[in-house]
Amino acid sequence: SQTIHQWPATLVQPVGSPLSLECTVEGTSNPNLYWYRQAAGRGLQLLFYSIGIDQISSEVPQNLSASRPQDRQFILSSKKLLLSDSGFYLCAWSVQGTGEKLFFGSGTQLSVL
Amino acid sequence: GDSVTQMEGPVTLSEEACLTINCTYTATGYPSLFWYVQYPGEGLQLLLKATKADDKGSNKGFEATYRKETTSFHLEKGSVQVSDSAVYFCALSSGGSNYKLTFGKGTLLTVNP
Repeated sequence: SQTIHQWPATLVQPVGSPLSLECTVEGTSNPNLYWYRQAAGRGLQLLFYSIGIDQISSEVPQNLSASRPQDRQFILSSKKLLLSDSGFYLCAWSVQGTGEKLFFGSGTQLSVL
Repeated sequence: GDSVTQMEGPVTLSEEACLTINCTYTATGYPSLFWYVQYPGEGLQLLLKATKADDKGSNKGFEATYRKETTSFHLEKGSVQVSDSAVYFCALSSGGSNYKLTFGKGTLLTVNP
């Protein structure tokens, strides 16, 4: 069966520090991969999606970047965190060619202080 | 572009009360429609879906009917339980971008015993 792992579960970082959140999927090949952010009072916002290795699409201009160095690995990064980067970050995957059913990780609560 | 509008929360009900969470959408083509649920401390999971007009999605006592004429997909349950307390997200996947979902802002439901 397929599983998705996302870590860390919680993270507290000072403003200006770097960020790296990692997500890996097991039990499937060539998945679509996604990073979403859930900010307080703002709902769920798609940040990045990827349909293949090194194929990343950004939905919203921001202080973050994403990379997919391997088929089932998706990394969210920042060189210098801002206060506004605080939020709940969710990684998700779907079957290649369709985004209809997403399978989500358990999320990372990021607090930038 | 695609958008999803769902009723503002929070919604607080007593156990065994009836639930309706309204959702309307704007999309090109003929989207598929979804309800996702996020239990406390967890990632999102698919609750139900409908892929064409007049389809009814159902799961765990929840139902939603795809109404093309009113561009709506309201979530209903006849008798809620304490364990239904969660955040509910309406979402769509349109034919023009079938590898990503557009989510509403979410509605927090709290059910009291």
